[in-house]
Amino acid sequence: AQTVTQSQPEMSVQEAETVTLSCTYDTSESNYYLFWYKQPPSRQMILVIRQEAYKQQNATENRFSVNFQKAAKSFSLKISDSQLGDTAMYFCAFWGSRGLLSLNAGKSTFGDGTTLTVKP
Amino acid sequence: DAGVIQSPRHEVTEMGQEVTLRCKPISGHDYLFWYRQTMMRGLELLIYFNNNVPIDDSGMPEDRFSAKMPNASFSTLKIQPSEPRDSAVYFCASSFGPGDTQYFGPGTRLTVL
Repeated sequence: AQTVTQSQPEMSVQEAETVTLSCTYDTSESNYYLFWYKQPPSRQMILVIRQEAYKQQNATENRFSVNFQKAAKSFSLKISDSQLGDTAMYFCAFWGSRGLLSLNAGKSTFGDGTTLTVKP
Repeated sequence: DAGVIQSPRHEVTEMGQEVTLRCKPISGHDYLFWYRQTMMRGLELLIYFNNNVPIDDSGMPEDRFSAKMPNASFSTLKIQPSEPRDSAVYFCASSFGPGDTQYFGPGTRLTVL
């Protein structure tokens, strides 16, 4: 079974600065998808960024970018120019590809989350 | 689209009672997921459906939990009988296809007294 590890339970950053959240995963799948979700105090889960494992290029979405290292099974999230509204819990997630013989085909796994606080 | 709709938003019940949580996925999405979120266990996948068919229910904690998807626009998660340790936020999510973004509903906060 795949696992997702977020080693930083809590982080803080000053407004306008840059912060990087770590995520590592373990899988035997060759094709899969990785996600970062944000959960603000409202508890609504919101997609931040998505990465397809077969794509070499790191995904970016405005101030959010990832550093995807497939060989190292690492998928970190960088937030540039942090804003107060970025304060939330961030979850790294893995979704294995749907293969006929894969026990984990189609199953998604979330990390334990990192609580990020942006300070004014 | 209105997004994923869940009801009720809050549910308070007594131990031993039956609880039914409801979900309406985004139209056109083939995958539907039920998750449970607690402080102790984080976000856990309970079960997911593809085209209304349950694919993996290995995350369902025990026989007291059951989920159905009678059609493409409706799913239920039932707990019978409920216990205090079932208290959690239950999320429903849907996606268009495998590996696509999962869109989450607002969640149902369940409290079992």
